[in-house]
Amino acid sequence: GAGVSQTPSNKVTEKGKYVELRCDPISGHTALYWYRQSLGQGPEFLIYFQGTGAADDSGLPNDRFFAVRPEGSVSTLKIQRTERGDSAVYLCASSLVGRDTGELFFGEGSRLTVL
Amino acid sequence: DAKTTQPTSMDCAEGRAANLPCNHSTISGNEYVYWYRQIHSQGPQYIIHGLKNNETNEMASLIITEDRKSSTLILPHATLRDTAVYYCIAIRMDSNYQLIWGAGTKLIIKP
Repeated sequence: GAGVSQTPSNKVTEKGKYVELRCDPISGHTALYWYRQSLGQGPEFLIYFQGTGAADDSGLPNDRFFAVRPEGSVSTLKIQRTERGDSAVYLCASSLVGRDTGELFFGEGSRLTVL
Repeated sequence: DAKTTQPTSMDCAEGRAANLPCNHSTISGNEYVYWYRQIHSQGPQYIIHGLKNNETNEMASLIITEDRKSSTLILPHATLRDTAVYYCIAIRMDSNYQLIWGAGTKLIIKP
């Protein structure tokens, strides 16, 4: 499709396990963002990519969280040794940097549940 | 980036105009006002943005006060599908648009 695609849509895992969440941005969008959203709250910024490099990873909560975008398109958010507090919806967004609209296009999110 | 404050929730009758207020009293001259909405179980959707002038597009109108300390998003003819959480965000032009979100306003459109 033409929008931002995220997989899986739902992931249930056990405490201590490793998970990967994938984001396929809109073709041609050079900027990619990961956000995390807990119930009843607005999205919380995690990391921003410009091309292949992480331009800002200041929102990653600790070193268990890591994200990559090796070819400047698809991105993977990796969470090691998951904890119950990691349960949230993880949102990915992409945009055309250089435009002045600042419009981010979001995916539907990946709901992570850590038991 | 400027902090924004919005009412927690609002109701509006179907077919009427929905007016959603946002206060951003500490906004600086190089910060835009953006509005997004999030329908239940979906990702956020861009609505509109502005700097100083009022703006209108196919979805909504944005009215920004002359001192820029507040703004109002107007959905001219609300439908049931407009029920969502609406987020008002102030963002610097040079910040790579890394949005800082509050809790938003839960807008419920009633038949």
